[in-house]
Formats: sequence, C-alpha cells, structure tokens
Amino acid sequence: EAGVAQSPRYKIIEKRQSVAFWCNPISGHATLYWYQQILGQGPKLLIQFQNNGVVDDSQLPKDRFSAERLKGVDSTLKIQPAKLEDSAVYLCATRGSLRGSPRSPDTQYFGPGTRLTVL
Amino acid sequence: TQLLEQSPQFLSIQEGENLTVYCNSSSVFSSLQWYRQEPGEGPVLLVTVVTGGEVKKLKRLTFQFGDARKDSSLHITAAQPGDTGLYLCAGARGGGSNYKLTFGKGTLLTVNP
Repeated sequence: EAGVAQSPRYKIIEKRQSVAFWCNPISGHATLYWYQQILGQGPKLLIQFQNNGVVDDSQLPKDRFSAERLKGVDSTLKIQPAKLEDSAVYLCATRGSLRGSPRSPDTQYFGPGTRLTVL
Repeated sequence: TQLLEQSPQFLSIQEGENLTVYCNSSSVFSSLQWYRQEPGEGPVLLVTVVTGGEVKKLKRLTFQFGDARKDSSLHITAAQPGDTGLYLCAGARGGGSNYKLTFGKGTLLTVNP
C-alpha cells in the first residue's frame, strides 16, 4: 500500500518569494498534519486537519503561512513571502489504520518531506 | 507548553557497543512514542509505550516508560551501522480528532563500522 507522498522533495527560493508544498495522504486517513523540522530539531506541528476542517493551527504563522485541504484528501501548504528562517524540512503526516499492519489506528505515518532552502 | 528533553543530543559509537538514549518531561503524556528518522526521510514509528513502568523490546532495542509516565529510555544492545539515524521521542495528548504529538529535539546516533 502506498505511503504519504509529498512534492517537491527539494526547493530553493530567494527570500520574499512564494512557495507551495503538496501532500497526498494514505487513502482513508482523515487526520492530516503539517510539521516544520528545522535542522537539529524535532518536528514542530504547524497545522492539523480532520477531513477538510482545521483542528489546530495555533502554531501556524498566519501572516505568511496558509494551508488547505480541499475535499479532505490532498493538502497544500503555502508560504508567502518566505523568510530566511523558514529554511527547514516540511513534513506531512497522516493518522489512521494501515491495511496489513498491526499498528494502532493512532499511528502517524510521515511522508519523506520537502527540504526548503531560502536564500 | 509541554517540553520533551532528549539526551544526549549527539552520540558516536563503534559497532558492537551498547547505548542508552533518554527522554524526559515535566508533564505526563497519555503515551510516548519513539521514532527513527534517516536522512531525507520522514520519521518512522518504532514503538509506543502507554503504561507506567512498561518495557517493550524490538530485537536489539529495549524501550522503557517511567513509572510516572514522564520519562522514557531507549537502550540499544550491540549497535550496528544500520542503527545510525535520528532518534526522536514524542509525547501524545488528546484523543480522537484532537490527538497530537509533541516531539523532542532528537538524538543523532552514528554507529561506526
């Protein structure tokens, strides 16, 4: 069964430019998370969706970051305009059961991430 | 803010050695998870511990949850180069649609052949 897909895998932009990341979740997973992982740190939650509704966006810098999950499947995360400190790996994760896996339905499955470099 | 402190931050050892990584918090979590993350990949769940005092084994890895459910440890016996990676602990809170994880900063382990 396919995992969480993310694109692009790498992106280099200059400060003040805009960028968008895309996430395709595991089929049937209703809960989707976007995390920011700065080098040398653990993932930090930016926003959590349940289907197409936002559950928690308290740590999302809303003046420059936005995210949506239209139709409750794919999700996009946008940064506009980007700052130097936005350089990080952006991880998408979904939560739910996985066919054939003994894991709990609370298990989060992560995509490979998008590495963003802002120059 | 519920913080998870991991130690050590970096660890470089020789193949065959044993090691222990620690994860400590001042808060109680409903469960604690350990992940391993390799370069260019997302974290992959290794284990979830739920009950205070619980010990789980995964081949050469032993995970322990503290009695008060505030701390945890990961012990690796006879480390191998394939164990190299970033080990992250994460505390879980909330339930249902409010379920979310708080991650520590991780321990970067390098096992040299």
